[in-house]
Amino acid sequence: EAGVVQSPRYKIIEKKQPVAFWCNPISGHNTLYWYRQNLGQGPELLIRYENEEAVDDSQLPKDRFSAERLKGVDSTLKIQPAELGDSAVYLCASSLELLMNTEAFFGQGTRLTVV
Amino acid sequence: GENVEQHPSTLSVQEGDSAVIKCTYSDSASNYFPWYKQELGKGPQLIIDIRSNVGEKKDQRIAVTLNKTAKHFSLHITETQPEDSAVYFCAARNPPLFNKFYFGSGTKLNVKP
Repeated sequence: EAGVVQSPRYKIIEKKQPVAFWCNPISGHNTLYWYRQNLGQGPELLIRYENEEAVDDSQLPKDRFSAERLKGVDSTLKIQPAELGDSAVYLCASSLELLMNTEAFFGQGTRLTVV
Repeated sequence: GENVEQHPSTLSVQEGDSAVIKCTYSDSASNYFPWYKQELGKGPQLIIDIRSNVGEKKDQRIAVTLNKTAKHFSLHITETQPEDSAVYFCAARNPPLFNKFYFGSGTKLNVKP
């Protein structure tokens, strides 16, 4: 079974440019997360979806970040315009939320460098 | 909200020795505690987890203990091998807070051959 797939793996852009990341979760997983991981730190949640509904986006900087999960499967995360401080690894994870305590599986991440 | 603290930030051991990483959490409502291993250039990979109704869980060379009263949990790796070298993250899941995962800051484990 394929794991969580993210693309691209790496992205280098100039500040003020837009950028988008794509995530394909594990088949059948109804919950999808986007995390940001700064160098030397643990992942921090940006947004969580249950099916197509964003149930927690309290940490998403809504002035420049947006996300969508059409049809409750794939998801995209967009930054427009990017700032130097957005340089980080963006991780997507998914889980099957039939029970309260289920593990989340992570993709390999997209490393964003804003120059 | 929940606050997860992890120690040490770096750990260096000799191959064959044991390694212990400790985490504390602040919210007693947290009830699920996974541990992730992250190798360079890869996403975190779940290696073991424990639920709040269990005090200890073991899987071959890896074990996790949970003390709910003290609100701390630990990862134990025995007979360490060079391939155990990676960054390890603990996390706590908090149902009242949107069922969110809160991660520790990570421990870089170096196993010297």
